[in-house]
Formats: sequence, structure tokens, C-alpha cells
Amino acid sequence: EAGVTQFPSHSVIEKGQTVTLRCDPISGHDNLYWYRRVMGKEIKFLLHFVKESKQDESGMPNNRFLAERTGGTYSTLKVQPAELEDSGVYFCASSPGFTSGANVLTFGAGSRLTVL
Amino acid sequence: QKEVEQDPGPLSVPEGAIVSLNCTYSNSAFQYFMWYRQYSRKGPELLMYTYSSGNKEDGRFTAQVDKSSKYISLFIRDSQPSDSATYLCAMSAPKAAGNKLTFGGGTRVLVKP
Repeated sequence: EAGVTQFPSHSVIEKGQTVTLRCDPISGHDNLYWYRRVMGKEIKFLLHFVKESKQDESGMPNNRFLAERTGGTYSTLKVQPAELEDSGVYFCASSPGFTSGANVLTFGAGSRLTVL
Repeated sequence: QKEVEQDPGPLSVPEGAIVSLNCTYSNSAFQYFMWYRQYSRKGPELLMYTYSSGNKEDGRFTAQVDKSSKYISLFIRDSQPSDSATYLCAMSAPKAAGNKLTFGGGTRVLVKP
């Protein structure tokens, strides 16, 4: 079974530019999450999709961040325009749901974003 | 104050020793408790999860949850150099109350041969 795939693995852009991160979840997983870790801080929740619908986007920092999940499959996270404080590692995770009572997430390797 | 506190380490132990990791938390709504292992430049990998209080054992790993003290632990027996990684605790409330994970900052562990 393929895991959660993220692209690109590393992106270096200048302040004010746009970057789009992509996540391909495990096939069949309805739940897709975006998390972020900025330098020196803990991993923090950004948002949660159930299929193509946003279930919870309470962690999105501001309106420069736009997440989509086309047809309930892959997801993109666009940052426009990027600011220095957006630098960090963006993790995508997916889960099949709550069949066992717990929401067990499988994480991707992350997309490292550096804004200069 | 952070919702989940975890000592960043690094924690250095000789091969074969027991590694003891812990987290404290403040949100009494948390009922699911997880431990993730993260190698450098990789994503977090789930090691164990437990529901509510109690102990759970899986091979060399034992997870303990004490909800009355809001304290969780992970023990790694017979530690190996391949156990060198960052260990993250994570918690979530039941589905009805939201299902996002709240992470600790991670503890870096180094097992020396």
C-alpha cells in the first residue's frame, strides 16, 4: 500500500511569491489533514477535509493560505503571497475514519518551505 | 501555557538501556493518546495509541496513561541505535469534540552503541 505522498519535498521562494504544496493521501482515506511545524515549535493543526469538504479549518493562519481537495482525492495547499513566517515543514496526513474509535493518522514526509 | 508539554531533550542513553519519555497536558477532554516516532527528514510514524487511562504494551514499547495526573509515558526497553529519533506525543478529544491532534514539541533520543 502506497503511503501519503507529498510534493515538493523542499521549496525555496522569495517573500511575496506563491507556492503550492500537493498531497496524495492513501487511497480510500476520506480524511485528509494538513499540519505545520515552524522552527522551534510543535506540529500544529491547519485543517481537515472529509472527502472534498472542509470539516475544520480553525488552524489556518490567515487568508493567504488556501486549501483545496479536488474530487475528494489529492489536496493542495497554496500560500499566496508567502511571508517569512510561513517557513516551516508542512505535513499532510490521512486516515480512514473512526472505525476503531481512534483517529489514527498516517503522515507524509512533509514539504519543507523556505521563504527568503 | 502550552496544552501539551514535552521535554525537548536530547536524551542520550547507552544501547540496551530503558528509554523513558513523558508528556503532561492540561486539556481534560483528551481521551486518545499517541506516540509518534520521527526520523530526520521523515514524517511522524505512529508507534502506539491508547484510549483513556491504563497501560499498553507492544514488543519493546510500553505506553502508560494517567488521566488523573494528566501524564503519559512511553518506555522503550532494550534500546537500539535504530531507536535514535525524535519522539512526539499527540492527543485528541473524541470525535464529537473535534478530532485534530495536539502535539508535544518532541523529545530527541540518542541511543549510543
